[in-house]
Amino acid sequence: DAGVIQSPRHEVTEMGQEVTLRCKPISGHDYLFWYRQTMMRGLELLIYFNNNVPIDDSGMPEDRFSAKMPNASFSTLKIQPSEPRDSAVYFCASSRSRGYTFGSGTRLTVV
Amino acid sequence: QKEVEQNSGPLSVPEGAIASLNCTYSDRGSQSFFWYRQYSGKSPELIMFIYSNGDKEDGRFTAQLNKASQYVSLLIRDSQPSDSATYLCAVNSFYGGSQGNLIFGKGTKLSVKP
Repeated sequence: DAGVIQSPRHEVTEMGQEVTLRCKPISGHDYLFWYRQTMMRGLELLIYFNNNVPIDDSGMPEDRFSAKMPNASFSTLKIQPSEPRDSAVYFCASSRSRGYTFGSGTRLTVV
Repeated sequence: QKEVEQNSGPLSVPEGAIASLNCTYSDRGSQSFFWYRQYSGKSPELIMFIYSNGDKEDGRFTAQLNKASQYVSLLIRDSQPSDSATYLCAVNSFYGGSQGNLIFGKGTKLSVKP
């Protein structure tokens, strides 16, 4: 099993640009989570899906953030427009039982 | 608001010693408790989970849970320099921990000195 696959690994973009982060969960996992990690706030849940349906998006900071899961093997997190305070590591995780498996993360830098 | 608290450290122990990492949580309805290890620049990886009061051992790791005190701990015996990492405590209100929001503490940084 290849694990949870995220792309890109690093993203540097200018303020105001659109950023799209991608995630392929582990096959057979029916939960998918998007987390953001910063030194100040630690790991924060942004949104999670169950069987491709968004269940809780209360962690999405504002309307600039959106997430989709069109099928069981793919999800995107989009930020439009991006701002410097969005700079963080974004993790995707998937789960079927007993905790989550995290992807390698996308380090986003907005300049 | 549900919170998970950990001492940020760093916690420094000599090689071969026992490292003790502690965590408290605010939601009395929490059902599942997890310890993740995160090396610098890497993603968190699950090392232990516990659902019931008491101790659970896995190799050099022992997780301890006391729901009455809302306290969970991780003991690492015979600590090795390769154990140097940040340890994240995570709590879920669902049994099994696969669903719902896994709430993480900010982590304790452990340094094992040779």
